[in-house]
Amino acid sequence: DAGVIQSPRHEVTEMGQEVTLRCKPISGHDYLFWYRQTMMRGLELLIYFNNNVPIDDSGMPEDRFSAKMPNASFSTLKIQPSEPRDSAVYFCASSVQGAYGYTFGSGTRLTVV
Amino acid sequence: QKEVEQNSGPLSVPEGAIASLNCTYSDRGSQSFFWYRQYSGKSPELIMSIYSNGDKEDGRFTAQLNKASQYVSLLIRDSQPSDSATYLCAVNVFRFQKLVFGTGTRLLVSP
Repeated sequence: DAGVIQSPRHEVTEMGQEVTLRCKPISGHDYLFWYRQTMMRGLELLIYFNNNVPIDDSGMPEDRFSAKMPNASFSTLKIQPSEPRDSAVYFCASSVQGAYGYTFGSGTRLTVV
Repeated sequence: QKEVEQNSGPLSVPEGAIASLNCTYSDRGSQSFFWYRQYSGKSPELIMSIYSNGDKEDGRFTAQLNKASQYVSLLIRDSQPSDSATYLCAVNVFRFQKLVFGTGTRLLVSP
């Protein structure tokens, strides 16, 4: 099993540009989570899906952020327009038992200049 | 008040000593508790879970839970330099299938 696959690993973009982060969960996992990690705030849950349906998006910071899961094997997190304060490591995680047994992807390090 | 609180550290211990990592949580409805280890530049990995009051041992790791005090701890016996990492406490409230993480405690084990 290849684990949770995220792309790109690193992204550097200019303020105002659109950024799209991608995630492929482990096959058979029906929960998918998007987290953001910064030194100041730690790991923050942005949104999670169950069977491709968004369940809780209360952590999405503002309308500039959106997430989709069009099928069981793919999810995107989009930021438009991006701002320097969005700079962070974005992790995707999947699980077969909700909060139990998360497997994290390698993360995407986003830098907005 | 943060939902899950940890001392950011660093906690420095010599090789072979016991490292004690602590975590408190605010939601009394919390039912499941997890410890993740995160090496610098890497993603978090699950090392322990605990669901009922008391101790749970797995190799050199022991997780302790006290729901009355809303307190979770992780003990690492015979600490090794390879244990140097950030340890994240995570809490789940039963009705929500999501984890809330603390900001982590950085552990440094010196040879």
